[in-house]
Amino acid sequence: GQQVMQIPQYQHVQEGEDFTTYCNSSTTLSNIQWYKQRPGGHPVFLIQLVKSGEVKKQKRLTFQFGEAKKNSSLHITATQTTDVGTYFCAGHARGSTLGRLYFGRGTQLTVWP
Amino acid sequence: DSGVTQTPKHLITATGQRVTLRCSPRSGDLSVYWYQQSLDQGLQFLIQYYNGEERAKGNILERFSAQQFPDLHSELNLSSLELGDSALYFCASSVFDRGETQYFGPGTRLLVL
Repeated sequence: GQQVMQIPQYQHVQEGEDFTTYCNSSTTLSNIQWYKQRPGGHPVFLIQLVKSGEVKKQKRLTFQFGEAKKNSSLHITATQTTDVGTYFCAGHARGSTLGRLYFGRGTQLTVWP
Repeated sequence: DSGVTQTPKHLITATGQRVTLRCSPRSGDLSVYWYQQSLDQGLQFLIQYYNGEERAKGNILERFSAQQFPDLHSELNLSSLELGDSALYFCASSVFDRGETQYFGPGTRLLVL
């Protein structure tokens, strides 16, 4: 069945260091979405990528969608303590008419001041 | 504030009991999704409803059931509760049922003793 793997599961960085989380799907996706969950909070939508090879930036965050639409990455430049949280990737299966999102297990980011 | 409301925020109950979690989607959203998040676990998709009809099923136990009412609010019923059912239960909503952003509610934290 459809699976989305995400690595690493945990990442601890010093404030100012960069951070990257990687997402791989077992099958081709129609899109990839990224969500952030702050400690004690709920997942909040960050961005959606749809096109093969697409790259989008939000300030210090760079999101990429692979050429084969099976992998994605989120890179944060010069992390800040406000970046703390768990980052989830999620995708819709290509060709599916359903709204179900397949979530990765998330990468929990800790930023030390 | 995502516009999705969930009640109650916290629930403490005993093994063998039955509880009902309630979710009101964002105004205008037709789809409701239920997720379970255990400690240090990702988001486990349980079930999706669209405009009152079941659309997709995930890893939902037979002891769990859900429905979406004509006013589009949804309820998740958990019965014969076990210790392992202790988790955070999120509801999310989206406008339609394919490919869009999901907006998550604040969650219901269930503790089974």
